[in-house]
Amino acid sequence: AQKVTQAQTEISVVEKEDVTLDCVYETRDTTYYLFWYKQPPSGELVFLIRRNSFDEQNEISGRYSWNFQKSTSSFNFTITASQVVDSAVYFCALSGNMEYGNKLVFGAGTILRVKS
Amino acid sequence: NAGVTQTPKFQVLKTGQSMTLQCAQDMNHEYMSWYRQDPGMGLRLIHYSVGAGITDQGEVPNGYNVSRSTTEDFPLRLLSAAPSQTSVYFCASSYSSGAPYEQYFGPGTRLTVT
Repeated sequence: AQKVTQAQTEISVVEKEDVTLDCVYETRDTTYYLFWYKQPPSGELVFLIRRNSFDEQNEISGRYSWNFQKSTSSFNFTITASQVVDSAVYFCALSGNMEYGNKLVFGAGTILRVKS
Repeated sequence: NAGVTQTPKFQVLKTGQSMTLQCAQDMNHEYMSWYRQDPGMGLRLIHYSVGAGITDQGEVPNGYNVSRSTTEDFPLRLLSAAPSQTSVYFCASSYSSGAPYEQYFGPGTRLTVT
């Protein structure tokens, strides 16, 4: 079975602080994909990143960076110099090596509150 | 492109009533799916489709039916609504069912069953 755990239910930071959102996953598949989605207060889901299991390079996109470590089954997300607009619910998700389908297993989400 | 559209945005049902949540996409995506979002549980897959005429169950299919007669549309039917089906429902689509590409989500339907 596949499982995604986001142990941090809610995080509060002050603007300009760095914050890391943790994601730990479980899968027996050798090929799998990991995702992060953002859900701002308006409610829509916004895709942030997709990473496959063969690519362990860290990725940086502006203030966002992702640290993928297969050894610890983790795919953590760091926001540098947080801003109020970063306040949202962030979901980590996993998609396995499927012969049929494109199913995502989501974590419970982490609520990030950035205060000015 | 409108992307993924869902109607209605809000709905209140009484226990036992039936209804259909509509979902449409104009990106010619093969893969479409329905998720429900409940507090503290993330999103859970209800049903999915890898192409017109092909559907399958996800993690929480009980009480829901789907069909896919066209590439564009993927309606979700609640057969006999129950308070446990109070949730926010998201429809999603993606380019290919062969590899898990980015899924595009609709704006959601907030359903309350009393």
